[in-house]
Amino acid sequence: DAKTTQPNSMESNEEEPVHLPCNHSTISGTDYIHWYRQLPSQGPEYVIHGLTSNVNNRMASLAIAEDRKSSTLILHRATLRDAAVYYCILVYQAGTALIFGKGTTLSVSS
Amino acid sequence: GAVVSQHPSWVICKSGTSVKIECRSLDFQATTMFWYRQFPKQSLMLMATSNEGSKATYEQGVEKDKFLINHASLTLSTLTVTSAHPEDSSFYICSASVRGPNTEAFFGQGTRLTVV
Repeated sequence: DAKTTQPNSMESNEEEPVHLPCNHSTISGTDYIHWYRQLPSQGPEYVIHGLTSNVNNRMASLAIAEDRKSSTLILHRATLRDAAVYYCILVYQAGTALIFGKGTTLSVSS
Repeated sequence: GAVVSQHPSWVICKSGTSVKIECRSLDFQATTMFWYRQFPKQSLMLMATSNEGSKATYEQGVEKDKFLINHASLTLSTLTVTSAHPEDSSFYICSASVRGPNTEAFFGQGTRLTVV
């Protein structure tokens, strides 16, 4: 399985942008880059995904490097409710399970 | 968006008893569902893949006789923890995806199992 590397933790202040990095140097051409987050005592929640182009949705933006070996999840204005563990996952095959790494624990201060 | 509902949200059981956890896809048909286990301060660990109408596929190290999985319909998969012991206490999460890598996966809210 293609592997991702994320920092263990990051801190942010409320209403400031947050850039969460993810390295995936062994990504293959057909791997999609997915981001999920998990709030305490809840199941993971989808955030965003992309293949090659940058993506935007109501929750976040995903910036994908030109060589696709890294990506960055951007929360434009962090809120206290964004405090969670964020997982960057490569998805390459239909019907296969998501394999979770350790993710990045984001702390948001007021 | 699609919703996956898990029940119960939490359960406490005595050692030696069995506990059943249900995972339902509420507005889509899920031919494949996944079961994860998560211990405190750790990431999700895939336990098994549940396919509708066939036997589940278990990950290495997961006892199939202890964690019974049934996926009898396109909207329901169940995980039964048999003869539960305190070390089985964990957060169990199910997941389903609709079509493939270009679609999001949906997760249940999780079930906190405590075995006393």
